[in-house]
Amino acid sequence: GAGVSQSPSNKVTEKGKDVELRCDPISGHTALYWYRQSLGQGLEFLIYFQGNSAPDKSGLPSDRFSAERTGGSVSTLTIQRTQQEDSAVYLCASSSGTGVYYGYTFGSGTRLTVV
Amino acid sequence: SQQGEEDPQALSIQEGENATMNCSYKTSINNLQWYRQNSGRGLVHLILIRSNEREKHSGRLRVTLDTSKKSSSLLITASRAADTASYFCGLAGGTSYGKLTFGQGTILTVHP
Repeated sequence: GAGVSQSPSNKVTEKGKDVELRCDPISGHTALYWYRQSLGQGLEFLIYFQGNSAPDKSGLPSDRFSAERTGGSVSTLTIQRTQQEDSAVYLCASSSGTGVYYGYTFGSGTRLTVV
Repeated sequence: SQQGEEDPQALSIQEGENATMNCSYKTSINNLQWYRQNSGRGLVHLILIRSNEREKHSGRLRVTLDTSKKSSSLLITASRAADTASYFCGLAGGTSYGKLTFGQGTILTVHP
């Protein structure tokens, strides 16, 4: 696609429910990154994929968080048993090759609100 | 892991003035990237400067990098109201191999 697409753009969920956030990277981009941004804060790294494998998942806050990427394309971030502190904007980015040398293209994010 | 620290946290200026924001870091880097974020949504890549470069320009943007002081600055000249946004530096390399780490950002407000 022309850009990085994230869905849904907004999600309100009840505490304790599971949610899935989706990221469609730019076609051909091998690297994909997930970040989280709480209100007024910086970006917190969660996980990154090179192809379908995740060399670094050190930023996932707890075992309630998981992510996968299939076909070297779409990625899904799953949060189980959501808590209020999970409320944030979840940002996905993709890049060709290793993005740290070329820069990221970000999606518009999914704003998650846990009530 | 390494994280950039932007300074100031907030900056308020009049249209036409220049805006300067800074990013400091602690360990070695491969490159440093500046991004802009409007309305708390996706970030837009502005400029990348490599560790062996000292200055880069892109339109009204000028970025400098001083590896001896472990700091970078982003200068926006002749600012416009449309430049109002948050600006983040992303660090590549050092202890953050394979990914960028970001600081808290600088909130820039340009008054018409």
